[in-house]
Amino acid sequence: NAGVTQTPKFQVLKTGQSMTLQCAQDMNHNSMYWYRQDPGMGLRLIYYSASEGTTDKGEVPNGYNVSRLNKREFSLRLESAAPSQTSVYFCASRVFYRGGLNSKSYNEQFFGPGTRLTVL
Amino acid sequence: DAKTTQPTSMDCAEGRAANLPCNHSTISGNEYVYWYRQIHSQGPQYIIHGLKNNETNEMASLIITEDRKSSTLILPHATLRDTAVYYCIVRDDKIIFGKGTRLHILP
Repeated sequence: NAGVTQTPKFQVLKTGQSMTLQCAQDMNHNSMYWYRQDPGMGLRLIYYSASEGTTDKGEVPNGYNVSRLNKREFSLRLESAAPSQTSVYFCASRVFYRGGLNSKSYNEQFFGPGTRLTVL
Repeated sequence: DAKTTQPTSMDCAEGRAANLPCNHSTISGNEYVYWYRQIHSQGPQYIIHGLKNNETNEMASLIITEDRKSSTLILPHATLRDTAVYYCIVRDDKIIFGKGTRLHILP
């Protein structure tokens, strides 16, 4: 299994340009997430998709759109890039099992390697 | 918003146990406590999670207080490779990261 893969690894854009960050997972997970991380900061949730066909806003959705193309793929689009969107973008997928009386709930996120985006 | 409070940074001598605290006083009954870590620019890595009982795996131990308002992650024998930012998270659906604790392992 490749786990969670992201493309591209690095990208430089000019202000106003558009681009799509790709994310794919081969673990058959239902939930997928996009985060951004600015230097010295924690991760902030942009959008997430609890299951195929659904998407929801996270903490910082403005300036972004997402598409859950199928169960495997969850893309993040910047329609008109701004310097404030310079960041490292992480995609994640999650497996969740709500345990029963004798078993613990299992809930783990798996992260991709990140895309480093610079907007000039 | 993140529902947890963690110290900004901590130091620990190599070979000693690292004890990382986390306060989550507003945790609700069905919410789990999760710990992740992020090693320099990599994607976060899952460590452990628990509901109310103490948990242990090959990486760490998790101690949750009886009232569930706080927890401690224990790395029993810290090594230089454990230098990372450690995130304590309490959430069941969308996982929200706070600022975490930057752990420095001192040789």
